[in-house]
Amino acid sequence: LAKTTQPISMDSYEGQEVNITCSHNNIATNDYITWYQQFPSQGPRFIIQGYKTKVTNEVASLFIPADRKSSTLSLPRVSLSDTAVYYCLVVPNAGKSTFGDGTTLTVKP
Amino acid sequence: NAGVTQTPKFQVLKTGQSMTLQCAQDMNHNSMYWYRQDPGMGLRLIYYSASEGTTDKGEVPNGYNVSRLNKREFSLRLESAAPSQTSVYFCASSSMGQLLDQPQHFGDGTRLSIL
Repeated sequence: LAKTTQPISMDSYEGQEVNITCSHNNIATNDYITWYQQFPSQGPRFIIQGYKTKVTNEVASLFIPADRKSSTLSLPRVSLSDTAVYYCLVVPNAGKSTFGDGTTLTVKP
Repeated sequence: NAGVTQTPKFQVLKTGQSMTLQCAQDMNHNSMYWYRQDPGMGLRLIYYSASEGTTDKGEVPNGYNVSRLNKREFSLRLESAAPSQTSVYFCASSSMGQLLDQPQHFGDGTRLSIL
């Protein structure tokens, strides 16, 4: 299983764009990159998934360079409610992906 | 639309007691998972079931057993609970896409304390 490395924590202010980078140097050809969000006392919630280049949905954007050894989750204009833990996963074909310790994002007023 | 339902939500056990955590999903998903999350840490996969009748070990299977009763239900059993198993347990499910599992849907967790 591909191992991921993320910053332990990040701080931001309301209205700013936040970029969280994840390193996955040993990603395999068929692996996808998936990001989840977790609020306290809740299970993780899917945010976005991609294979290469850029993916955008109503919540976030995901940027993946050509070598796919890293990815960046971009949250536009964060609010206090975006304070959460964000997990980057490399999802293999067999479905047994690994959650790391995630990045704790704190959005301040 | 319930999604993934876990019971119970909270439980306190004494060391050596046994218990089964229940999980059911109503999304017709093939794959189901059990994770544990210790305070301040990420989720660790305990067991995984790709389809009814199949199970596979994850990162931390020792001390646990699972049963994929049918497509909807996936239970986790602690035969002899130990304080090191105090954690929050999450169940998840996903469908199988053409190439890989689709994103997982999680329950709200079971908070288990073992004294």
